[in-house]
Amino acid sequence: DIQMTQSPSSLSASVGDRVTITCRASQSIGTYLSWYQQIPGKAPKLLIYGASSLHSGVPSRFSGSGSGTDFTLTISSLQPEDFATYYCQQSSSSVMYTFGQGTQLVIK
Amino acid sequence: QITLKESGPTLVKPTQTLTLTCTFSGFSLTTSGVAVGWIRQPPGKALEWLAHVYWSDDKYYNSFLRTRLAIARDTSKNQVVLTVTNMDPVDTATYYCAHLLVAKQYSYHVWGQGTMVTVSS
Repeated sequence: DIQMTQSPSSLSASVGDRVTITCRASQSIGTYLSWYQQIPGKAPKLLIYGASSLHSGVPSRFSGSGSGTDFTLTISSLQPEDFATYYCQQSSSSVMYTFGQGTQLVIK
Repeated sequence: QITLKESGPTLVKPTQTLTLTCTFSGFSLTTSGVAVGWIRQPPGKALEWLAHVYWSDDKYYNSFLRTRLAIARDTSKNQVVLTVTNMDPVDTATYYCAHLLVAKQYSYHVWGQGTMVTVSS
């Protein structure tokens, strides 16, 4: 099974900061990588699919990059509503999908 | 507009079987390129993928839970049912169903609100 490892597990930042979250796959997954945002008490929301494609309605300050085993999610200028937990998910293996363990973004 | 909503018991006893229903609208599970999946999240923990069923009726399961899971679609009712046998307190979680699009690199495009299930005697 493909393992997904996110770093860091927690990140402290301020409004206006640029932040980057990393996700690493245990084997190559091409660009079958999605990023989700979850606000406490709410369902996850899709941000990025195909490693770098912005889901409709998602602000352009969010961007994704990478292929193979290493991926990043970047928020160019943090807004108050961006403080949440972020998950990556691989969909390369049709046999089993896996999520990363999450990165909690907190206000400094 | 695509919507999904989970329903089922909020409390089950250990060893019982959990049956959850996902009722959706705005799409058909007979349309090529579509799937519905189940994902769960124990309190304070990460998301865990459970299973999904494609428009072709192909089904895939979490390999660690495969022997306990079953997913089925009812295209006439626009529903997907997940059963989990032999429930244990570690299965306490919020259970989500979600709409998957093959065209979006197999991402979960829209999610239901989730339903919290507690396993306790």
